[in-house]
Parts: sequence; C-alpha cells; structure tokens
Amino acid sequence: EADIYQTPRYLVIGTGKKITLECSQTMGHDKMYWYQQDPGMELHLIHYSYGVNSTEKGDLSSESTVSRIRTEHFPLTLESARPSHTSQYLCASRRGEGPYEQYFGPGTRLTVT
Amino acid sequence: GDSVTQMEGPVTLSEEAFLTINCTYTATGYPSLFWYVQYPGEGLQLLLKATKADDKGSNKGFEATYRKETTSFHLEKGSVQVSDSAVYFCALSPSYNTDKLIFGTGTRLQVFP
Repeated sequence: EADIYQTPRYLVIGTGKKITLECSQTMGHDKMYWYQQDPGMELHLIHYSYGVNSTEKGDLSSESTVSRIRTEHFPLTLESARPSHTSQYLCASRRGEGPYEQYFGPGTRLTVT
Repeated sequence: GDSVTQMEGPVTLSEEAFLTINCTYTATGYPSLFWYVQYPGEGLQLLLKATKADDKGSNKGFEATYRKETTSFHLEKGSVQVSDSAVYFCALSPSYNTDKLIFGTGTRLQVFP
C-alpha cells in the first residue's frame, strides 16, 4: 500500500476563491507529480518536481502553481478558482532513477461553482 | 513522439468471462510498460508492469506480456469478477526519460453478475 495522501477529497467552492490542494507522501520519494483528469478519464501532467525547491510545468498548461519546500509535501494552489478548473486532481510520487512506477494518491475532486 | 493507444470502452462482460484489453505503443528505444487500475472515486493503482521485451507482468489474476515485435502490452484475465469493474490505463515510461509516464486514454470495464 502506497503512503501518499491528498486532502481534501472533495471540494466545492465559489468562483474567485483561492484554494490549496494538499499532497503528502511518507515514502521519501524525491519525484512528485500533479495530474488533471478530465471527465473523459484522460490524464494530463500539469506540474512535477524532482526534489526540494524544484518545480516544473507539465504538458498541459495550467493556471495553478506548486511549491516544494519539503520532500514530503507538494501542494497545488489556485489563486482565483474558475468553473473551468472543475476537475479531478491526482498527485503521484516515485523513487530514484530507473523504471520505477509512480504511486498515486486518492485524488481531490474539485467543483467550482 | 512516444504514445500509447488502447481500445475504447466500455467493455461489458458477464462474470467469469475472459477479458482482453488491447494496448499498443509507439516508442523509441526500450520503454517500460505499465497497467494501472482506477476504481470508482479513487486514484490509480499499479496493477502490473514489465521493463523489457518478453517480460510478463502478473497480479491478481491479470497478465500482460511485453511484445516488442508487435509493440503491444495487452491485458488479460481468465475469469473476471464484478469487483474488477474499473477503468484500466496502459502507460509507458520512455527509455530516454524514466521520470515520465505517458498514458493511454483508459478503458472502462463493466462486469455484470
């Protein structure tokens, strides 16, 4: 069982609010990722990090930002939520170099009204 | 660029039927290949993986063989259960960037009693 956590699991919030989605892992993994999953199930990489103080944008442009101040923590922030941000957000992590799998958290389902 | 193609769903089966979900890939070099499963309301879980040609990954009665000659990694199970109802994702990790996962679009499996 992978030890990667996301909170909240569900969030309904109004337009214009600032939100932070939390992601933590207790496996000591250096590499962490955020994916956005659309209703058609497809997964899009929006941010990743190779370690503390490292953050990069992914393949899909996103208005969200991320930070990596501690190895175990990789929060995602939306400064001003919009209905177009409604989606499922999945956090993942993996260890080291080589053909290792990514471990996923349970996800946060965000609805912006 | 590298890509994964998997069969569209939904796949609808009766309990104890044989399951095949097709997955083919395009990649340079020798990627690693994965099958992930996503149960309703949850994140992705690794189901099985294979890191070199002719490797067979297996778990929970599911199997997939890395076929370099046909660039395929089809998922099979001899007798499905209602509890196998989920979305299945085929993915590859390129040999030139093992930090990256490229996903297929997912195949929904529905098993009826």
